[in-house]
Amino acid sequence: DAGITQSPRHKVTETGTPVTLRCHQTENHRYMYWYRQDPGHGLRLIHYSYGVKDTDKGEVSDGYSVSRSKTEDFLLTLESATSSQTSVYFCAILDDRSEQYFGPGTRLTVT
Amino acid sequence: RKEVEQDPGPFNVPEGATVAFNCTYSNSASQSFFWYRQDCRKEPKLLMSVYSSGNEDGRFTAQLNRASQYISLLIRDSKLSDSATYLCAVGDSGGYNKLIFGAGTRLAVHP
Repeated sequence: DAGITQSPRHKVTETGTPVTLRCHQTENHRYMYWYRQDPGHGLRLIHYSYGVKDTDKGEVSDGYSVSRSKTEDFLLTLESATSSQTSVYFCAILDDRSEQYFGPGTRLTVT
Repeated sequence: RKEVEQDPGPFNVPEGATVAFNCTYSNSASQSFFWYRQDCRKEPKLLMSVYSSGNEDGRFTAQLNRASQYISLLIRDSKLSDSATYLCAVGDSGGYNKLIFGAGTRLAVHP
């Protein structure tokens, strides 16, 4: 158990509304990641963080922003949700052996 | 061509069978390799890291072939509980331990 929680676990929202997903870790890991998983695509990196206030874009960052104001929390925001952002979102941390461990995921539906 | 490719399967095998999955990657500069297991509607769980010399963990053996740019996973004496999707992941050579995932191979073990 890597001590990662995600909230909410499920969310249904309407097109055009802002949405924030939270990833919380309890073990003080420096690196954190946000992925989305869609059928046929596997997991794709949205954004990542390598420290407090240090973030960068991944492969599919358009329409998403992130913030990391403290080590334990990494927030993913959809500024104006679209139906193409319906997905399962996973947060991950990098442990001391450079292995990534995932949170339980958030299922987001944009109607 | 995708950066990381896997046969989507499904692989349907009887209990006790040996099954092997391959995963090809396109970036010859990649330095880290992993196999994850994902159960339906759950998060990916790290199965094993893949080392240059190959590694074994019980019934599972992982190999890396740098010349041909693929990694493999061998499962011996398959159990019903091995039924899952197996994801390979390759480290992005750009640093920050970012991972590129294949879309996964589905394994179904039947009695």
